[in-house]
Amino acid sequence: QVQLVQSGAEVRKPGSSVKVSCRTSGGTFTSFVLSWVRQAPGQGLEWMGGIIPILGKANYAQKFQGRVTITAAESTSTAYMELSSLRSEDTAVYYCARVFRQQLVLGDWGQGTPVTVSS
Amino acid sequence: QSALTQSPSASGSPGQSVTISCTGTSSDVGGYNYVSWYQQHPGKAPKLMIYEVSKRPSGVPDRFSGSKSGNTASLTVSGLQAEDEADYYCSSYAGSNTWVFGGGTKVTVL
Repeated sequence: QVQLVQSGAEVRKPGSSVKVSCRTSGGTFTSFVLSWVRQAPGQGLEWMGGIIPILGKANYAQKFQGRVTITAAESTSTAYMELSSLRSEDTAVYYCARVFRQQLVLGDWGQGTPVTVSS
Repeated sequence: QSALTQSPSASGSPGQSVTISCTGTSSDVGGYNYVSWYQQHPGKAPKLMIYEVSKRPSGVPDRFSGSKSGNTASLTVSGLQAEDEADYYCSSYAGSNTWVFGGGTKVTVL
């Protein structure tokens, strides 16, 4: 059973950056495909990007290109999502999720990390 | 990468059925049989209910079923129960390791 445990809530000022972590356990990290999804208050889910740790290759939704960086550390089985130039609209819960590669579905989810952007 | 289109709300009485639709394009829903559905209760992470259009993960009741026709996918919840009241999101693989979600449908059990 793969578990994804995310870092705690964050508060940031507009213009700053935030880095959220997602520690995995119970599986082989290098075989994972991981995605990041966010959900603004009262809004729907929004796919931000993902990474294949064994390749060290990340891809991003067009909307977030240039502002998001997704990385992975094999030594700690942890993925990271860093979002820069924060604005109030980035206030959301950020989730990491593991993709089931055969089924191409986001199958296991972290508990979510609330990020608040406020001056 | 536009969001998939879902109706904002649906409702039914206990024991009845409710069907939620999810419309995309030939670049996502219509182009792949990798449509999934998630259930989300307030303050909780999404839970996978259907994958590959119509398959259920272990532990998901068979009251939940999925289908697809062209660019539109559907989720049907039969024999509605109080605990089915939640937000439901569709998602589709969109190629090149990208995914797209719907805006969500709030299901109310009357």
